[in-house]
Amino acid sequence: AQSVTQLGSHVSVSEGALVLLRCNYSSSVPPYLFWYVQYPNQGLQLLLKYTSAATLVKGINGFEAEFKKSETSFHLTKPSAHMSDAAEYFCAVSGNDKLIFGTGTRLQVFP
Amino acid sequence: DGGITQSPKYLFRKEGQNVTLSCEQNLNHDAMYWYRQDPGQGLRLIYYSQIVNDFQKGDIAEGYSVSREKKESFPLTVTSAQKNPTAFYLCASSALLGYQETQYFGPGTRLLVL
Repeated sequence: AQSVTQLGSHVSVSEGALVLLRCNYSSSVPPYLFWYVQYPNQGLQLLLKYTSAATLVKGINGFEAEFKKSETSFHLTKPSAHMSDAAEYFCAVSGNDKLIFGTGTRLQVFP
Repeated sequence: DGGITQSPKYLFRKEGQNVTLSCEQNLNHDAMYWYRQDPGQGLRLIYYSQIVNDFQKGDIAEGYSVSREKKESFPLTVTSAQKNPTAFYLCASSALLGYQETQYFGPGTRLLVL
């Protein structure tokens, strides 16, 4: 069975600081992994997707994530936070005909 | 522009009332999904459909019903049997039903109980 754990329900950073959002997964098969972003009262927007083609995946808005099989992790990073990055971020893993989501991490960015 | 539309943006339900949430997509996707989002719980799958006239229960289907009469449309009915319907409801679609498929989401409908 597949599952996802997002460590830290809230993360706060200063504008210009490194953003690191943590995601660990469990999967009995080689996983497909996703990061989505949700702005208040909106739907989810795909940030990036891991498909085994490359361990470092670049996404939109300057975000990237690195797949580490040995650590069963897929952490999301951005070198320099911007105020517009404030949102909720969801990690997800493909299961049987569905996506299994983590509980989300809310990112706050302070000026 | 291709995308997914959901209506209404806000919906109010009275006790004992059934309400229907609309989801339409013009992406020519075969698979469609309904999720429920509650604070701190992530997204939970209610129903999904692989193709017209076929749908499957997800993890929390009790108190909900769906239909898939057209490829573009996948309405969700929240019945009076759903005792705690207040939540944010998200519709999604993917080209096919499958392990590797990317799901794309609509803007959501917030359901509130009067």
